[in-house]
Amino acid sequence: GAVVSQHPSRVICKSGTSVKIECRSLDFQATTMFWYRQFPKQSLMLMATSNEGSKATYEQGVEKDKFLINHASLTLSTLTVTSAHPEDSSFYICSAPSVGLNTEAFFGQGTRLTVV
Amino acid sequence: AQSVTQLDSQVPVFEEAPVELRCNYSSSVSVYLFWYVQYPNQGLQLLLKYLSGSTLVKGINGFEAEFNKSQTSFHLRKPSVHISDTAEYFCAVSEGRGSTLGRLYFGRGTQLTVWP
Repeated sequence: GAVVSQHPSRVICKSGTSVKIECRSLDFQATTMFWYRQFPKQSLMLMATSNEGSKATYEQGVEKDKFLINHASLTLSTLTVTSAHPEDSSFYICSAPSVGLNTEAFFGQGTRLTVV
Repeated sequence: AQSVTQLDSQVPVFEEAPVELRCNYSSSVSVYLFWYVQYPNQGLQLLLKYLSGSTLVKGINGFEAEFNKSQTSFHLRKPSVHISDTAEYFCAVSEGRGSTLGRLYFGRGTQLTVWP
């Protein structure tokens, strides 16, 4: 089946620095990718929809300047957490939907971000 | 926007017992329904999905779910669980738009714990 690769799986960074998370669709093209955030013992909350070749669409309450999303190609979307703070520590997961008869969303492995 | 309700946050069962994880969603003209499983610090793995057709859907690892439009439910069942089924389970809904899968709305998750 289709594979979505997300890197890194874990990252620890100092407060005030920026961290980039990559999400790649390995064997299909994704014009749209979704970025979710998951707090401990909670569900996944959609942060933004990444659109290839255009600006991302952010959910209400998500800071565009803090969570920069770039969808530079049909197989790569990146999420950059800028000027990270401890409250940004979380589990971030990307997802890319396939189209056609086997419609489903494929998820990356997730990135555990810890800001110290 | 859709809302998804998973009525049970935790479900403890003994090995080889049957289990049902409940999921209800807010009504819509047409929806796609999914169940995902998540192991600690990992992404989501698709268990099964309902797009159209037969209301009884069979998935991986012996799980199945039944789509009930009148009750707007999509409960997940397994006749005999194993210890390896211990994980977090998420119900998700996407509004149907032909073959294009939109964003997913997730329930809060149900922690299934299987005891020996």
